[in-house]
Amino acid sequence: QSVLTQPPSASGTPGQRVTMSCSGTSSNIGRNIVIWYQQLPGTAPKLLIYNNNQRPSGVPDRFSGSKSGTSASLAISGLQSEDESVYYCAAWDASLNGPVFGGGTKLTVL
Amino acid sequence: QMQLIQSGADVKKPGASVKVSCKASGYIFTSYYLHWVRQAPGQGLEWMGRINPNSGPTNYAEKFQGRVTMTRDTSITTAYLELSNLRSDDTAVYYCAREYFVEAFDIWGQGTMVTVSS
Repeated sequence: QSVLTQPPSASGTPGQRVTMSCSGTSSNIGRNIVIWYQQLPGTAPKLLIYNNNQRPSGVPDRFSGSKSGTSASLAISGLQSEDESVYYCAAWDASLNGPVFGGGTKLTVL
Repeated sequence: QMQLIQSGADVKKPGASVKVSCKASGYIFTSYYLHWVRQAPGQGLEWMGRINPNSGPTNYAEKFQGRVTMTRDTSITTAYLELSNLRSDDTAVYYCAREYFVEAFDIWGQGTMVTVSS
C-alpha cells in the first residue's frame, strides 16, 4: 500500500483538461515539495514536475502542478493521445528519510 | 548525452543475493546523489535508498536495512545495488536514478528485472 494516495484512474478526451490528485500527510507533502513522474508502459519513469510546479526543460507547458497543505494535483491541458500513461506523485517523507510515492493514476485518453 | 545504463536481467533462487550495476556517463558522477527505486510487477514505485557517489555515505530505507548494500566505484563511474537473502516478493524491476533537482530524479536507468524463483 502506497504512502501517498492517488486515484487509480482518470480519463479525458483530446483537447480536454484533466486533473489528478495526490494526498499525503504532514510528514511528507505537508512539509516537503511534490514531484510528479510520468511512466509509459515498459519504460522508466520520466520527471514531469519538480519543486511542486516547475517543469524540466522539454516538458510542455500543458503540464502544471500545484500543492496546498497535504495535497497536490497535476493538471494536463489540451489533452493528447500521447499523454496516455501512468502518473506518480512523490514527496520526501520525514519518517522514512526518503521519498514516498503514490500508487499511480492511469490516464486514459478516450 | 547524460545516461545511466544498468546491468541485464537476472534470475535468483530464494536466499541468494543479487548485485545490479548502474553506469553513469555524460555528467560528473560524483556531483549528484544516486538513488535506487524498485517496482514490483504491476505495482508502484518503492524507494530503497541512496548513495553519495563523492564520499560514499548511504541512506537506506528501514525496510531494507540489513539486506541492502549500495556502493560505488568512481574510477568507472558505476554504482551498485546488492540485495541479499532474496525472497519471492523481491521480484521487481530495479532502477537507479540521479537526483538533480532537490528530491527529484531527472535521469533514470533503463531498469533491471530481477526474478526470484525456486
